Order: sequence, then C-alpha cells, then structure tokens
Amino acid sequence: DAGITQSPRYKITETGRQVTLMCHQTWSHSYMFWYRQDLGHGLRLIYYSAAADITDKGEVPDGYVVSRSKTENFPLTLESATRSQTSVYFCASQGDRYSNQPQHFGDGTRLSIL
Amino acid sequence: LAKTTQPISMDSYEGQEVNITCSHNNIATNDYITWYQQFPSQGPRFIIQGYKTKVTNEVASLFIPADRKSSTLSLPRVSLSDTAVYYCLVDANTGGFKTIFGAGTRLFVKA
Repeated sequence: DAGITQSPRYKITETGRQVTLMCHQTWSHSYMFWYRQDLGHGLRLIYYSAAADITDKGEVPDGYVVSRSKTENFPLTLESATRSQTSVYFCASQGDRYSNQPQHFGDGTRLSIL
Repeated sequence: LAKTTQPISMDSYEGQEVNITCSHNNIATNDYITWYQQFPSQGPRFIIQGYKTKVTNEVASLFIPADRKSSTLSLPRVSLSDTAVYYCLVDANTGGFKTIFGAGTRLFVKA
C-alpha cells in the first residue's frame, strides 16, 4: 500500500539546470498538489491539478512547470533552477475536494541548488 | 482569503491536555477547518476536520465557536510522540484553489 510516493527523496543540483520532481499516487485521486516548505513560511502551494490535463497556479508558481498526462502522476519541473528554489517539496493528493476529504501527503523531496 | 494565525510554539508535559488555538478572522461561509500534524522528514498527516461546534475522533477534538473566527485543537493526555508541528488549514473554495496553511505550531512534549 504505497499511497503517494515522491522521488527522489534528496537532490542536489546547480543553478541553471533543469530538474524534475516526481509524484505518484495509487488511489486514483482526482486532485493533486505541489507545495514547498521553507523555514518561517509553512507550506505554500505551487501548483495544483483537478484532473488529468487540468492544472492551475497556486500561491507561488513562478519558476515551476507542471504536467498531468495521467491521473496518477504529477511531475514538477524547475526549468532553470535558482538558489531561491532550494526547499523541501511536498506532493499531495485528494479524492474529492467538495466533500472536503483531507489531503494525503508524500514524504517530500529535499532539493538543494548550489 | 482566510489566513490563519497560530502560536509559534508550545511546551507541555506527558499526560497533560494540550489546546492549540488558530485564528481565522476572514473565514468564508463554505470553508472547513482542517488540522494536520507533521513530524520531521515527513509530510503532513491529517488529524481532524470540522465546520462548526465540536468534532471528536480517536486522536483529538476540535472546538469551533459560533462565529467560526477561531478553532481549538485539543490533544488529550499527550505523549512524547506527539511532539510535532501542527498546522491549521482553512480550505478556501472561492477564487480557485488557494489552500492556505498557517505557519504551524511547534509542540514540545517533555517527560
């Protein structure tokens, strides 16, 4: 029962490089989310998706790109990484938003950009 | 957008009841209040959710006054393993998905 998994768990890269963080869920949840967590800021929503091929911006979308060709996958891409994007990234899924089901989170990807 | 305000940190001792209050003055009519718990190196985990009055489950209770401008998470008889960060979340259905997490409350439970 994997639930929601993120990969890699840790990543170090250099400024200007492209990096993709993967998120996979096994519940067939419609909604998926990407957050970043920085000290002093709690969790901030980057992008979300209501279904395959439907994505939209959250609070801090600049510098990120998402796609959702399949319901179970929601990759997050940093096309040209910057040091300010060093953070812990969490993916989450949610079955039915309008019945207020809770979000289920992965264990995060710790990304360091040198 | 209903931003939330929580205490930055709290200390407690094993066996005590802990109450963490969250303020959300601009909560909208359709918003629910959800609390999550987060341990180091893990993602947040759902604890409890409510709309009004009181909700109780096997882990915690959630108290919401009539005006819904605040809520209180109550953890009965905490143990060392309850040391974590607790987030109050108000789901904002208006204007798209603008999920707003508070900064969280870091709870330290001492022996």
